[in-house]
Amino acid sequence: EVQLVESGGGLVQPGGSLRLSCAASGFTVSSNYMSWVRQAPGKGLEWVSVIYSGGSTYYADSVQGRFTISRDNSKNTLYLQMNSLRAEDTAVYYCARAPYSGARWKDVWGQGTTVTVSS
Amino acid sequence: DIQMTQSPSTLSASVGDRVIITCRASQSIGSWLAWYQQKPGKAPKLLIYKASSLESGVSSRFSGSGSGTEFTLTISSLQPDDFATYYCQQYNSYPWTFGQGTKVEIK
Repeated sequence: EVQLVESGGGLVQPGGSLRLSCAASGFTVSSNYMSWVRQAPGKGLEWVSVIYSGGSTYYADSVQGRFTISRDNSKNTLYLQMNSLRAEDTAVYYCARAPYSGARWKDVWGQGTTVTVSS
Repeated sequence: DIQMTQSPSTLSASVGDRVIITCRASQSIGSWLAWYQQKPGKAPKLLIYKASSLESGVSSRFSGSGSGTEFTLTISSLQPDDFATYYCQQYNSYPWTFGQGTKVEIK
């Protein structure tokens, strides 16, 4: 079964750091485009970042320079390193995969992990 | 950045109604558009990709159309399970952007 399970969310102070993980099963993260999408409380969806199968990465302007997407092929896990966190980064963070390399839509999503940035 | 504007923001409908949601892009995105359904507390679910391709396992009462800057999601006969929020997303260029969402409520 294809599955994504996020972890690593929690409460962090403004200016702090957090690393989110997304463990994949049933497929190989290095073979697919993998994304992070977030949703602030009561708000809509916001795309955050993507990593291509070839390793190229792209970010939303709101997180550029503060967040880093990466993957560990040996662990079949996607990561999002979040630094210099702000209150506006408070959200549920979802990881999602594209069905094949070159596709950009997201057919499998994790259940989400909650990040709260507050003092 | 490409802005995606959905209309309406909220829609009240009854079971059996035909529902149409519109998504407009601020510039041409070809057919690089997806539609997602989200229920409270749940992850989004892919319905449509490449503007009009139905995701495997999704009911055929959902359909998508359009290209360029104007797109629609149609639910041919609204069912109780369809009451949810719907989002369009463009993936023509970075940053990939979502519409603000359309909440489909029970009338």
